[in-house]
Amino acid sequence: QKEVEQNSGPLSVPEGAIASLNCTYSDRGSQSFFWYRQYSGKSPELIMSIYSNGDKEDGRFTAQLNKASQYVSLLIRDSQPSDSATYLCAVNMWRGYQKVTFGTGTKLQVIP
Amino acid sequence: KAGVTQTPRYLIKTRGQQVTLSCSPISGHRSVSWYQQTPGQGLQFLFEYFSETQRNKGNFPGRFSGRQFSNSRSEMNVSTLELGDSALYLCASSLEAGGDTQYFGPGTRLTVL
Repeated sequence: QKEVEQNSGPLSVPEGAIASLNCTYSDRGSQSFFWYRQYSGKSPELIMSIYSNGDKEDGRFTAQLNKASQYVSLLIRDSQPSDSATYLCAVNMWRGYQKVTFGTGTKLQVIP
Repeated sequence: KAGVTQTPRYLIKTRGQQVTLSCSPISGHRSVSWYQQTPGQGLQFLFEYFSETQRNKGNFPGRFSGRQFSNSRSEMNVSTLELGDSALYLCASSLEAGGDTQYFGPGTRLTVL
């Protein structure tokens, strides 16, 4: 099992719809979770972090965390073509030291 | 506050050469992590430096090395370049070591011919 697992996609959604991106992780003791957006040829950009179970909203983005199920998701409301990018999930894990581990990312395509 | 800067942005080298990449973290950040990104491989962790000390290292050969200076700037070096080293090299800075929120620089695109 991968430490941080994401569906590679592509996930295609029509403009204006809700895009739902999912991520599962293996370390039950993980405490910090991050979502990054990466446009083609660019570096990852932090969207938001989440530390507690439940939802955290920031504009059109909502991160959801369920530690019991070892699952974190990102919802993008009113998806725009400019949201088309690869979304990386990152999890803080203990491997003898604290370390951030990245998933391989989900490619999102928003269709106009 | 200025973001993470990386130099150079683009590099073309030939097999067998060596290369040095530089990263300046956000002011006040003391931790610098390096990643290699290739199509289909995702972000591969190279190493993390904090207070001039390498805290941990990814699964890369000894040809990949790095260091951090007292002002938190970091360099990574790749010796005896191979074609497979062609990648986007990303530097990320964070306030503290290990698991803290990371902010990425623009990356250095290395092409090995």
